[in-house]
Amino acid sequence: ELKVEQNPLFLSMQEGKNYTIYCNYSTTSDRLYWYRQDPGKSLESLFVLLSNGAVKQEGRLMASLDTKARLSTLHITAAVHDLSATYFCAVEGYISNFGNEKLTFGTGTRLTIIP
Amino acid sequence: DTGVSQDPRHKITKRGQNVTFRCDPISEHNRLYWYRQTLGQGPEFLTYFQNEAQLEKSRLLSDRFSAERPKGSFSTLEIQRTEQGDSAMYLCASSVPGLAGGPPTGELFFGEGSRLTVL
Repeated sequence: ELKVEQNPLFLSMQEGKNYTIYCNYSTTSDRLYWYRQDPGKSLESLFVLLSNGAVKQEGRLMASLDTKARLSTLHITAAVHDLSATYFCAVEGYISNFGNEKLTFGTGTRLTIIP
Repeated sequence: DTGVSQDPRHKITKRGQNVTFRCDPISEHNRLYWYRQTLGQGPEFLTYFQNEAQLEKSRLLSDRFSAERPKGSFSTLEIQRTEQGDSAMYLCASSVPGLAGGPPTGELFFGEGSRLTVL
């Protein structure tokens, strides 16, 4: 059974600082996704990483994928208050004849940016 | 707005009652997923459809839960004889068809969710 772990679970950081959220998963997969969720809201897709070594950047966020290590990172540069949210990584299960399968989500990292 | 829509957004019910949630996916998406999210946790997979075919159901989906997508467009998720443990946010998502000849990208587009409270 695929397991996805994120750390830290809670992160409080000051504006302007850099930090990294880690996502480890237990079985082979080449596809990993990052989502953002604001309180009481649904999930917003941030990054789609579809191969080993994939790196995507959007604004102050950068995500990378190392499929050999079964590890993805979400790096935050010079954090601003608007980035406060919960961030989830999600890993796609095995690829069958049907194409992609369901996503298994991590427990999330609740990020709070302090002015 | 052509995103994923869910109805109702909030439902409060008494234990033992039946509830039904509806999801309208993005129109060109042939895959539709149901997830459940409890407070402080990540979404947990329940079931998914490709067109009208239900391809997989999670062990979380007890006999009291049933999902349908009769015409390959909207979907319903019904919970019979609700229990307090069913209280959660029920999320619907749809996915983009892949490029010709390839699998879908897997990126899910989520609706706002239907929050269920069972008293």
